[in-house]
Amino acid sequence: EPEVTQTPSHQVTQMGQEVILRCVPISNHLYFYWYRQILGQKVEFLVSFYNNEISEKSEIFDDQFSVERPDGSNFTLKIRSTKLEDSAMYFCASQVKGGTYYGYTFGSGTRLTVV
Amino acid sequence: AQKITQTQPGMFVQEKEAVTLDCTYDTSDPSYGLFWYKQPSSGEMIFLIYQGSYDQQNATEGRYSLNFQKARKSANLVISASQLGDSAMYFCAMREGRYSGGGADGLTFGKGTHLIIQP
Repeated sequence: EPEVTQTPSHQVTQMGQEVILRCVPISNHLYFYWYRQILGQKVEFLVSFYNNEISEKSEIFDDQFSVERPDGSNFTLKIRSTKLEDSAMYFCASQVKGGTYYGYTFGSGTRLTVV
Repeated sequence: AQKITQTQPGMFVQEKEAVTLDCTYDTSDPSYGLFWYKQPSSGEMIFLIYQGSYDQQNATEGRYSLNFQKARKSANLVISASQLGDSAMYFCAMREGRYSGGGADGLTFGKGTHLIIQP
């Protein structure tokens, strides 16, 4: 069964450093997402991406965050200057088409720890 | 107001019993989708079941079924014959259809229910 692949599975970084979280969505999917889950809390939407541009972003997705699809297969989330409160599990998801009627496939997540 | 409400932070259930996990939602959009995900202790998000707002019948997937009561805005997950491996966090989520022509809204999640199956 096709999978969304995320790397690394766990990353530890110093506060103030830049991190790039990587995702390889399912190959025929057109819509891509990043979500965040702070430990013990609910999953929160960060950003959606379609046709090489951001479709929608949440209040969490401020200027410290950016997304990119650099080569047609990878989908990355960059955090420019990490803060302690950025420590969370970050999930990438993809969807074959937009709309309410198509399932989202999530990756296994990257656990980011900012120290 | 919360868009997705899961009122059971934790549940203990005996193995082989049926389990109902509650979820109520709030939307004024006539077109929406409701999802349930399982998150085991390893952390990944596993899709379980989907219900569309226009679906006439309740969704079923193996041991999972969704008790969809549209007028009450509830979408409870029912797990029949629970197993030890069902122990996990369960999240209800909704996507609204503001861009039902093909847009890219994200999912809104509830806070989850931590289900523990006891032998």
